[in-house]
Amino acid sequence: KNEVEQSPQNLTAQEGEFITINCSYSVGISALHWLQQHPGGGIVSLFMLSSGKKKHGRLIATINIQEKHSSLHITASHPRDSAVYICAVLMDSNYQLIWGAGTKLIIKP
Amino acid sequence: DVKVTQSSRYLVKRTGEKVFLECVQDMDHENMFWYRQDPGLGLRLIYFSYDVKMKEKGDIPEGYSVSREKKERFSLILESASTNQTSMYLCASSLGYALNQPQHFGDGTRLSIL
Repeated sequence: KNEVEQSPQNLTAQEGEFITINCSYSVGISALHWLQQHPGGGIVSLFMLSSGKKKHGRLIATINIQEKHSSLHITASHPRDSAVYICAVLMDSNYQLIWGAGTKLIIKP
Repeated sequence: DVKVTQSSRYLVKRTGEKVFLECVQDMDHENMFWYRQDPGLGLRLIYFSYDVKMKEKGDIPEGYSVSREKKERFSLILESASTNQTSMYLCASSLGYALNQPQHFGDGTRLSIL
């Protein structure tokens, strides 16, 4: 069983829809990262959070430490949001980063 | 803004060749990382370095080596390339010696071994 599971693996939605991508993990963590990878390959860090909620523009990330779960939300989705979204957790035991396999999001106009 | 530059976006090499992938960052970051990314799998850490001439094995170091002679440059070496090393390779850097800092990534090198 993977220590970091993302769902769904693939998501196709219409422009304007509210998007939710989930990340569940099974280890103790000190922080969780959400990153975005565009088709060209480059990866951009979106959020790093260890509790509560963070917001940046139309993106919102939440984490529930007790439930070992985080969500990434996109409001008013746009085709330019089409990308792979990756969750990674920083283990609190050894500061190793464990990566999820990513969620491929396609927003259709 | 942090800039992490990988020397090639696409590279095609032959089995048995020695392959060098270069990565340079311009923000004086201590930590540098090499990952490979394969379809359906999360990023897998090959090696990382927390200072000049220092290196640590990641999850999949076999068949690879690294070199960090200068703080800004971290090289990944495939000693004798094999077809199962065909992959996307990503370099990253982060500030400080702790691993709890956001990582900044290059655009990746898509390597094909024929």
